[in-house]
Amino acid sequence: AQTVTQSQPEMSVQEAETVTLSCTYDTSESDYYLFWYKQPPSRQMILVIRQEAYKQQNATENRFSVNFQKAAKSFSLKISDSQLGDAAMYFCAKGAQKLVFGQGTRLTINP
Amino acid sequence: KAGVTQTPRYLIKTRGQQVTLSCSPISGHRSVSWYQQTPGQGLQFLFEYFSETQRNKGNFPGRFSGRQFSNSRSEMNVSTLELGDSALYLCASSLGGSGVRDTQYFGPGTRLTVL
Repeated sequence: AQTVTQSQPEMSVQEAETVTLSCTYDTSESDYYLFWYKQPPSRQMILVIRQEAYKQQNATENRFSVNFQKAAKSFSLKISDSQLGDAAMYFCAKGAQKLVFGQGTRLTINP
Repeated sequence: KAGVTQTPRYLIKTRGQQVTLSCSPISGHRSVSWYQQTPGQGLQFLFEYFSETQRNKGNFPGRFSGRQFSNSRSEMNVSTLELGDSALYLCASSLGGSGVRDTQYFGPGTRLTVL
């Protein structure tokens, strides 16, 4: 079975600083997608960023960027200039129509 | 463009009853996937529908079923409810039909409580 592992159940960061959330996955596929979703207290799952496995260039969306290491099967999320609104559960996911999620990392932003 | 909508948002049922949840995808999206989220098991894939056909299925008992209509709206049904079915049920839609090149957008979820 494919698995996605987030080894950090909780993380905290000072406002305006940078934080990195870790994610590793298991797959035998050569072509796949990876995602980071954010789930704030409202429970609405919001897409943060996605990465195509066939692209070597790391994806970036404003303050959010990933470090994709395909050989190591690692997909970390870096949040720069953290803001209070970034506080949420962050889920790493792999797949397409059938997403496999990690257990999540709860991110706290300290003012 | 309107996002994914789910109804109802909250539901309370008793053991043994059945329940139907509804999901309306983003306009133009033809794929609808369902997920169950619980504190213990996390997010688990239930099934995915594309063009009114179930294309993928997760590892859930037959009490969980779904369908998709010609307008891409989808319903999920759980029969003979058990206490363990209490969860947040999330629906996601995507364009579909393009293999792995797809991104899912989620609805706000339906919170089901089984008493």
